[in-house]
Amino acid sequence: EVQLVESGGGLVQPGRSLRLSCTASGFTFGDYAMSWVRQAPGKGLEWVGFIRSKAYGGTTEYAASVKGRFTISRDDSKSIAYLQMNSLKTEDTAVYYCTRVVGSNPNWFDPWGQGTLVTVSS
Amino acid sequence: QSVLTQPPSVSAAPGQKVTISCSGSSSNIGNNYVSWYQQLPGTAPKLLIYENNKRPSGIPDRFSGSKSGTSATLGITGLQTGDEADYYCGTWDSSLSAWVFGTGTKVTVL
Repeated sequence: EVQLVESGGGLVQPGRSLRLSCTASGFTFGDYAMSWVRQAPGKGLEWVGFIRSKAYGGTTEYAASVKGRFTISRDDSKSIAYLQMNSLKTEDTAVYYCTRVVGSNPNWFDPWGQGTLVTVSS
Repeated sequence: QSVLTQPPSVSAAPGQKVTISCSGSSSNIGNNYVSWYQQLPGTAPKLLIYENNKRPSGIPDRFSGSKSGTSATLGITGLQTGDEADYYCGTWDSSLSAWVFGTGTKVTVL
């Protein structure tokens, strides 16, 4: 069974950093791009960014709202994708979902993890 | 502000049909695949439709997708109470080099 499990969420003060992890199982992790999507309380889905597989250079793309502050990386040997979040703002408060990407530029996302809540507050 | 526009809500009685529109532009829907996601209350989103009109295994044929020009549509027939959820369209935007989600539509079964 393909499964994604996020971890690392919690309460953090504005301006601080936090790193989320996404542990994958049930598929060959290195063959796929991975993406992060967030959802602020009571709001819609917002794409954060994604990292391509090594076969496509392992390059990354980010939403304008997080570019320069957030970094996505991957460890194929551990089947883990990371989201490093720096200079956090209150508006970054959201549930963060990890999802597997189909396509070199995303064609669709499947499956999704259960999400991890990040709260940015003083 | 999302570049893909969906109606905020749609509703119908059990057994009826609803359609959800997703309007974009040539840089996104017009030249890329559209997918749809269902988010039941309190849960993570789930893929419902991919490549405009294909259903993953396990998704009933009551759900259908179509695309024409710069718009896409999700249809749900034989509406059930279990279909009450938020639905989002999504696609790659070649101009933005970014994935974009629709504004989301809440489906209510009357």
